[in-house]
Amino acid sequence: GAVVSQHPSRVICKSGTSVKIECRSLDFQATTMFWYRQFPKQSLMLMATSNEGSKATYEQGVEKDKFLINHASLTLSTLTVTSAHPEDSSFYICSARDSGGNIYEQYFGPGTRLTVT
Amino acid sequence: AQKITQTQPGMFVQEKEAVTLDCTYDTSDQSYGLFWYKQPSSGEMIFLIYQGSYDEQNATEGRYSLNFQKARKSANLVISASQLGDSAMYFCVINAGGTSYGKLTFGQGTILTVHP
Repeated sequence: GAVVSQHPSRVICKSGTSVKIECRSLDFQATTMFWYRQFPKQSLMLMATSNEGSKATYEQGVEKDKFLINHASLTLSTLTVTSAHPEDSSFYICSARDSGGNIYEQYFGPGTRLTVT
Repeated sequence: AQKITQTQPGMFVQEKEAVTLDCTYDTSDQSYGLFWYKQPSSGEMIFLIYQGSYDEQNATEGRYSLNFQKARKSANLVISASQLGDSAMYFCVINAGGTSYGKLTFGQGTILTVHP
């Protein structure tokens, strides 16, 4: 149980285009999901907290208009990187908290590697 | 705010030996959870072990054990009988309450290399 999927696993896009990344909890409901960004050999940095049915909460320094987050259902959150540039190339990972589970535990998706050319 | 410090950027261990990965944390919350995750080169985050702040006994999961010293605010991971497949990046993580409820704070990570 407690599986989180992400789609796509890899994406290459041209500079100036937008890319949507999906995060799904497959066997549990997640009122809260989190989006992280990771550069090579570095730690995960929390970008935003996605709450079902309400606006996402962004961490300081993260551009809300560039990284659009939509949490439309209890099992799906999407991250859209708008007008992507090469500096947005990174590994994006989502996690989801089981609404009915351990309040401290989160389950991670497999990640999406974004390359902007 | 929470903080995790992993002071070992890289560690090397011989296959079948035990290794300890260090982690210290800082939080003003009384209730929190500590985790260790493994991230192989594929990028997936693999949950290894969890320790609650009120747990009196150290957590163990197979070859993994967490040496929890609350007064020192340390949560070291011990891997016994290392295997080649243990080579990966390891993150110590805290999930505390208060205004940061639900947010995970990651350490810098330790790259473990297991030699045959």
